[in-house]
Order: sequence, then C-alpha cells, then structure tokens
Amino acid sequence: NAGVTQTPKFQVLKTGQSMTLQCAQDMNHNSMYWYRQDPGMGLRLIYYSASEGTTDKGEVPNGYNVSRLNKREFSLRLESAAPSQTSVYFCASSGGRNTEAFFGQGTRLTVV
Amino acid sequence: KNEVEQSPQNLTAQEGEFITINCSYSVGISALHWLQQHPGGGIVSLFMLSSGKKKHGRLIATINIQEKHSSLHITASHPRDSAVYICAVYAGGGADGLTFGKGTHLIIQP
Repeated sequence: NAGVTQTPKFQVLKTGQSMTLQCAQDMNHNSMYWYRQDPGMGLRLIYYSASEGTTDKGEVPNGYNVSRLNKREFSLRLESAAPSQTSVYFCASSGGRNTEAFFGQGTRLTVV
Repeated sequence: KNEVEQSPQNLTAQEGEFITINCSYSVGISALHWLQQHPGGGIVSLFMLSSGKKKHGRLIATINIQEKHSSLHITASHPRDSAVYICAVYAGGGADGLTFGKGTHLIIQP
C-alpha cells in the first residue's frame, strides 16, 4: 500500500527556473494538500483541493500554482523559482475534515 | 485562523522517563492531530482525537475541548522515540487544511 507518493525527493533549482512537484495517492481520498515546512515555523498550507476539479489557496499561495489532474494526483508548480521558496514540501491527503491525514515523504527544494 | 502553541519546544530526557508534550489552540475545533516526524523523514499520523483519550502502545493522547488543550504522553521512553512531535488542528473559517504547531523536538538519551 503506497499511500501518498511525491516526487522528486530532492531538487536544486536556479533562481527563475520552473519545476513541478508531483503527488499521487492511492487511498481514494477527496482532499489533497500541499504544505511547506521551514526552520522555526510550523508547516504552512500552500494550496488544497477538496475534490477533483477544485483548488483553493491556503496561507502562503504566492509564487505557486496547482493542478488537481484527477482524483489521485495533485501537482504543485513553481513558475519562476525564488530563493524564498527554498523549503521542504509535503503533499498530504485525507478523506476530508476530521479524518486522518496521510503525508508523503517530502521534497527538499533548494533555490540558488 | 486557529493559533496552535506547543510546549516545550525542546525536550531532552533519559531512557525510561515519562514524557509529556502540551498543545493549546485558540479557536474551538472538532478534532486534533498528533504527528511524528523523524529527522530527515516524512510525517506520520499518531492520533486524531476529538474527545477524551486514545492509547497506542506506549503513546497516550488526551484532549480537553472546553479548555482547548491536548497532551501527548510517552511512557517508558526509548531512544527510538526521538523525533519531532507536531500538534495540528483544522484551520477553521471555512478553509480546509491543517494549522500546525511548531513542533516539540524530543531527544531520549540511552
């Protein structure tokens, strides 16, 4: 049972480059999320998708775009990477509010 | 927006000690999550609770909804319990997604 799978695990970008972080879940969950984790701060919500075909901004959406490709997949795109986007990114899924959340292994992104 | 505070931020203890990590939040919720993150690792859900107490092995989580407070206890602590423990609640205000505490960095020394 794979759970939540995100790729890549590590990435180094130059300022201005673009990339897409991929996330897939095999638990038939409606809700999927992208969070970022920075030293000294709690995880913060970037974007979420409550169901296939819908996406909404979270606390820190600037500089990111998302796509809910289908029920399984939720991708996060950085169109023009900035050093401030250096972080560890986590994808998560759940059956909705007040249900257990499942997290991917994280993507460590460095923008130089 | 719900604010989540955890204490202590850092905790070092000896193997076998009883550990308590506290979490308080500012806005009423219906469920609270306790998560575990090992260094360089992913995040694992330990508990989701909305009332009372839950127990899994040596881990016990309690919540007092009226006081907006939860505790995570570890009995007979072991070096493998060394990790960051994170408390999280739903953000509220119509927004989906969790709001997280900053985590408690626990080190258990042999």
